[in-house]
Amino acid sequence: NAGVTQTPKFQVLKTGQSMTLQCAQDMNHNSMYWYRQDPGMGLRLIYYSASEGTTDKGEVPNGYNVSRLNKREFSLRLESAAPSQTSVYFCASIPPRGTDTQYFGPGTRLTVL
Amino acid sequence: GENVEQHPSTLSVQEGDSAVIKCTYSDSASNYFPWYKQELGKRPQLIIDIRSNVGEKKDQRIAVTLNKTAKHFSLHITETQPEDSAVYFCAASYPGTGANSKLTFGKGITLSVRP
Repeated sequence: NAGVTQTPKFQVLKTGQSMTLQCAQDMNHNSMYWYRQDPGMGLRLIYYSASEGTTDKGEVPNGYNVSRLNKREFSLRLESAAPSQTSVYFCASIPPRGTDTQYFGPGTRLTVL
Repeated sequence: GENVEQHPSTLSVQEGDSAVIKCTYSDSASNYFPWYKQELGKRPQLIIDIRSNVGEKKDQRIAVTLNKTAKHFSLHITETQPEDSAVYFCAASYPGTGANSKLTFGKGITLSVRP
């Protein structure tokens, strides 16, 4: 199993550009999450998906959209990137039942100039 | 919503000493409390967790204690080693409307173990 994978690993955008961060898991997990990590701020939830076909806002959803394409994939889209969205983005997933343990992907480091 | 705070924000200990990191949470409905370790440039990884029906849990040199009345939980690392140096995040999970609950993370503490 590859676990949780994310692409790309690094990205530099100019203000106003758009891009999609990809996340996939091969562990048959139902719930998936997108976080951003900023220095001194911990991990903040952007959006999550409890199951295929459903998505909900987290703590900091403004400026982002998500798509739960199928059970494996959960993408995060920045329609018009802003410097305030410079951050490290982590995707995570949780097994179907019996545990709340979140498994994280390797992260995407995004810089918006 | 839930609010999780970690104290202190940085901690430096001598190799071989013990380290204790404390977190407080605000929502008494929270029922799951994990601790994650993040090394520089890496992803967060779960090191230990505890549920609200348990007061203490131990795994080799690491232990977590929970005080539901005071709404705080602590990570204890004994016989610290240089490889314990990392950022440690606590989190609390409260029941949500979806199939699974959501985690609220503290801001993290940087632990440095001096050789």
